Amino acid sequence: SAVISQKPSRDICQRGTSLTIQCQVDSQVTMMFWYRQQPGQSLTLIATANQGSEATYESGFVIDKFPISRPNLTFSTLTVSNMSPEDSSIYLCSLKGGGETQYFGPGTRLLVL
Amino acid sequence: AQSVAQPEDQVNVAEGNPLTVKCTYSVSGNPYLFWYVQYPNRGLQFLLKYITGDNLVKGSYGFEAEFNKSQTSFHLKKPSALVSDSALYFCAVRDADSNYQLIWGAGTKLIIKP
Repeated sequence: SAVISQKPSRDICQRGTSLTIQCQVDSQVTMMFWYRQQPGQSLTLIATANQGSEATYESGFVIDKFPISRPNLTFSTLTVSNMSPEDSSIYLCSLKGGGETQYFGPGTRLLVL
Repeated sequence: AQSVAQPEDQVNVAEGNPLTVKCTYSVSGNPYLFWYVQYPNRGLQFLLKYITGDNLVKGSYGFEAEFNKSQTSFHLKKPSALVSDSALYFCAVRDADSNYQLIWGAGTKLIIKP
């Protein structure tokens, strides 16, 4: 399976600021996903990012708050804008691999003060 | 409505004993079922999946799961638990209306005591 890395691995941010999370894959993939995992919760899909097209956002998530870029088949970024303490979560990128399986990056742990 | 249920928030097992983490699902059509594990301060790791074929699926780290269509269950099992198996386990099923979206269970915290 592909190797997925995320930067930063963790960060502490001030309310009202923005953070951009990077996701790098060591092979070309068509479909990438961004998830949020709030403390003690399961995963929630934020959006699907396909190269060459606008990201598709799930209900409850909007582009102004979570802009996503997908400039090529190995890279994507998620920005968490105008952060509030409610945005404190683990943010995970994943990709769709063979056999319908999704593979995940190590996650970015965000704490907003 | 499509859903995945993990009825136990936490499962406690003594080291060396068999373990079971339960998962039931409700989905239209044939289910694609998955188990993932999340170790502390780590991302999710794929353990195993059922798409078709043999109802008993073997995966990583000695885990296996049994697909039971009549009971709509996909319980995760291991014959002999290790302390290192302590982690958060998630069951997921592919959304029948999507070719990629997963519906996630709430997660079960597995604690293996020495």
